[in-house]
Amino acid sequence: AQSVTQLGSHVSVSEGALVLLRCNYSSSVPPYLFWYVQYPNQGLQLLLKYTSAATLVKGINGFEAEFKKSETSFHLTKPSAHMSDAAEYFCAVSVDNDMRFGAGTRLTVKP
Amino acid sequence: EPEVTQTPSHQVTQMGQEVILRCVPISNHLYFYWYRQILGQKVEFLVSFYNNEISEKSEIFDDQFSVERPDGSNFTLKIRSTKLEDSAMYFCASSDGRGLTGELFFGEGSRLTVL
Repeated sequence: AQSVTQLGSHVSVSEGALVLLRCNYSSSVPPYLFWYVQYPNQGLQLLLKYTSAATLVKGINGFEAEFKKSETSFHLTKPSAHMSDAAEYFCAVSVDNDMRFGAGTRLTVKP
Repeated sequence: EPEVTQTPSHQVTQMGQEVILRCVPISNHLYFYWYRQILGQKVEFLVSFYNNEISEKSEIFDDQFSVERPDGSNFTLKIRSTKLEDSAMYFCASSDGRGLTGELFFGEGSRLTVL
C-alpha cells in the first residue's frame, strides 16, 4: 500500500524565512499527492494537490510544492514565513481513492 | 460550496457506552471514509465505504467499530463499547470516486472524549 514519510516532526523558522517541509512517498503506481494544514482544534484544510499535471503546484497562502518522481518527493515550501503559518502540516498520498497521511510536521514561526 | 458536515462536534461519554458519529457527505460523492486523530498524533485511516459495503479497513477498525449508510445522505460510525483509548478526533471524508484527482473532502471532525 502507498505511504508517506515526513522528515522532521517539528520545524521552527523565523518570520520571513524560507519554509521547507519534507515529504517522501512510496507508491507502486503514479500517486496523487496532497498537503493539508491543520490549525489548533480545527479540521484539515487542503493547501495544494498534485494530480499528474504540472509538477510545480501552487496552493493557498503562498505555499507551493514540487513533485519529483526521481526522488519520490513532494516537499512543501514557502519563500517567507508568516506568524499565521504556525500549524500542523500533513502530507498525504492517494491511490485509487485510498488516502494515507504522513505523521505530520508542526511548524513554529518565531517573531 | 458543497461540504462534508459532521455531528456532533464534541461528544463526551462514559467508558463502555455506545457512540454514533454522524456525517453527511457531499451529495454526489460515492466513496466515504472515516479517519481518526488521537490528540497530537497523525491522522489514521479507519475505513472506506463504497457501494454500500466496506471496501477497506485498517487494523484499528476492529469488531467494536461499524459503519452504516442508513439512508441516502448519512454515513455513520458506531463504536459499540467505548474505551479510553477511543478518545480522539474523528474525521469523515468523501470523494467523487472518479479518480481524476483522488481528492478527499473532509468534515470539521467530531471530537470524542471517553471518561
